[in-house]
Amino acid sequence: QTVVTQEPSFSVSPGGTVTLTCGLSSDSVSTSYYPSWYQQTPGQPPRTLIYSTNTRSSGVPDRFSGSILGNKAALTITGAQADDESDYYCVLYVGSGKWMFGGGTKLTVL
Amino acid sequence: QVQLVESGGGVVQPGRSLRLSCSASEFTFSAYGMHWVRQAPGKRLEWVAVMSHDGSNKYYADSVKGRFTISRDNSKNTVYLQMNSLRTEDTAVYYCVLGHLYYYYGMDVWGQGTTVTVSS
Repeated sequence: QTVVTQEPSFSVSPGGTVTLTCGLSSDSVSTSYYPSWYQQTPGQPPRTLIYSTNTRSSGVPDRFSGSILGNKAALTITGAQADDESDYYCVLYVGSGKWMFGGGTKLTVL
Repeated sequence: QVQLVESGGGVVQPGRSLRLSCSASEFTFSAYGMHWVRQAPGKRLEWVAVMSHDGSNKYYADSVKGRFTISRDNSKNTVYLQMNSLRTEDTAVYYCVLGHLYYYYGMDVWGQGTTVTVSS
């Protein structure tokens, strides 16, 4: 059973930099998994931040960047702001037309 | 600006059926694949299904395969999710999501969601 893993929670100071990761229980994450990242605040639908590893979606500030770090996909937020406090989800293409989300990371800015 | 409006959610008993609709506007609907993604209360997002732009390809999560059917009517700019044999674990907010032109770029613009509650 393939599982996509994310840190359950993370905290960052205002103005600081944080890197969230997205792993796979059965393999190393590469660009072939086409990782995407989404931001969600309570009661709202997700918002797409990054797709295909490192391409920012329209309107997303360049404080958000995606990459592969080691064997995981990564989302880096530089110059963290109060309104970055959200849940962040990654999704991976796992083959046969299917996608799988990670469990999400709750980011606190304090 | 892309608009996706879901409808059809509600309260339904286990074992019954429900059909969700997603009406799209402000883009060339027939050129894009469309996804359904759900989120149970307090839980992670779960990808449910996707249909290609012309309906020729569709894929399902294992948790819904054989019970849910995705379809679309490009003349009405609408994608549907027929949900049969509903279970309590299908209770969730269901989001309609516009796919990228290139399938492997995944999900792009999200609707506001419609709530499905399966309960006796």
